[in-house]
Amino acid sequence: DIQMTQSPSSLSASVGDRVTITCRASQDIRSSLAWYQQKPGKAPTLLVYVVSRLQSGVPSRFSGSGSGTEFTLTISSLQIEDFATYYCQEYYSTSPTFGQGTKLEL
Amino acid sequence: QVQLLESGGGVVPPGRSRRLSCAASGFTFSNSALHWVRQAPGKGLEWVAGLSIDGNIAFYGDSVKGRFTISRDESENTLFLQMNSLKPEDTAVYFCARGHGSIPGTIIPLESWGPGTLLSVSS
Repeated sequence: DIQMTQSPSSLSASVGDRVTITCRASQDIRSSLAWYQQKPGKAPTLLVYVVSRLQSGVPSRFSGSGSGTEFTLTISSLQIEDFATYYCQEYYSTSPTFGQGTKLEL
Repeated sequence: QVQLLESGGGVVPPGRSRRLSCAASGFTFSNSALHWVRQAPGKGLEWVAGLSIDGNIAFYGDSVKGRFTISRDESENTLFLQMNSLKPEDTAVYFCARGHGSIPGTIIPLESWGPGTLLSVSS
């Protein structure tokens, strides 16, 4: 199985900060990488897919990059509504795997 | 507007069975890849199972393979997860999700999610 490792596990930041979350895959997953945001008590929402494509309705302050085994999600200027937990997911394998999550805290 | 609504959660003793349902609306059910994802209390997301667009091919995570079965009823626009031989470690919120409509295949990003249903496996 492919392992997805996110870093950091948690991150303290302030409104207006630029933050970057990293996700590393245990093997090459090409461009089969998505990012989700989850707020407490809610279902996840899709932010980015195919590494860098923004899902409809997602603000342009979110961006994704990377290839192969290393990927990043960047939020250019944090807004209060961005404080949440973020997960990467590979969908290259037939048993897609999520990263362990990065909790973004104020 | 895409809507997914799970039901069937509750408290179940270890070793017993349970069937979860996910009622879908707002999209072409028979032309969508559908999945179950779970989240144990305070933990991260775990993909459980996925069903191909034509409903003929199912994929399972290693932790549920041989115990869980994903299926759908097109006449009712409902996705199911039949769970047998339940274990305490199956305790989680179970989400159903729809694969991204613009990407071919079954194992694809999940663009729509239901609110989830909580299953507790406990005596």
